Amino acid sequence: DTGVSQNPRHKITKRGQNVTFRCDPISEHNRLYWYRQTLGQGPEFLTYFQNEAQLEKSRLLSDRFSAERPKGSFSTLEIQRTEQGDSAMYLCASSFGSTGTGELFFGEGSRLTVL
Amino acid sequence: GQQVMQIPQYQHVQEGEDFTTYCNSSTTLSNIQWYKQRPGGHPVFLIQLVKSGEVKKQKRLTFQFGEAKKNSSLHITATQTTDVGTYFCAGRLGSGYALNFGKGTSLLVTP
Repeated sequence: DTGVSQNPRHKITKRGQNVTFRCDPISEHNRLYWYRQTLGQGPEFLTYFQNEAQLEKSRLLSDRFSAERPKGSFSTLEIQRTEQGDSAMYLCASSFGSTGTGELFFGEGSRLTVL
Repeated sequence: GQQVMQIPQYQHVQEGEDFTTYCNSSTTLSNIQWYKQRPGGHPVFLIQLVKSGEVKKQKRLTFQFGEAKKNSSLHITATQTTDVGTYFCAGRLGSGYALNFGKGTSLLVTP
């Protein structure tokens, strides 16, 4: 399978614990996005990478959230001191391009449940 | 928060009826994309519109981008049960990189 891969698919954690999600984008895709989606809502933008550079981060994003894409390939999203409100599906998407907005290819997502 | 608005939130039609979902933004969009998400699945790209007044068709689906690049619509002719899912519009606001999604319109088609 050469699509976007996300791990783990499911994560249950207790409030206050840290969690990390990993995203492996489609090979050679230089753009990578993280989104969060809750039931009945559209994907909410979290952050955007172009190669290894984090070029945009949602102003609504708590400083407990951090993302990296160290070599411009895979990316990690870490949530520190999780809260129940962090429970959601975390989606990663990748695309290719230098201008405009290309087609986003989404992974299956990582579902987080905070108890 | 959501800066791209979609209506209606839900639509229930009989198979064979037409369906339309509307997308609006208070800010001019650089482009508009449409995605479909099946229950339990992830969003899948349908189309991108870039030019003012652009109209594109994919079989029974017709997509329009408004003249002012602030609104868009997706029209499905003669719905089928395979059209079930949530349809999202997503647009870039100004020079930002973020693709902002609407809340989506959930379509239910009964045979």
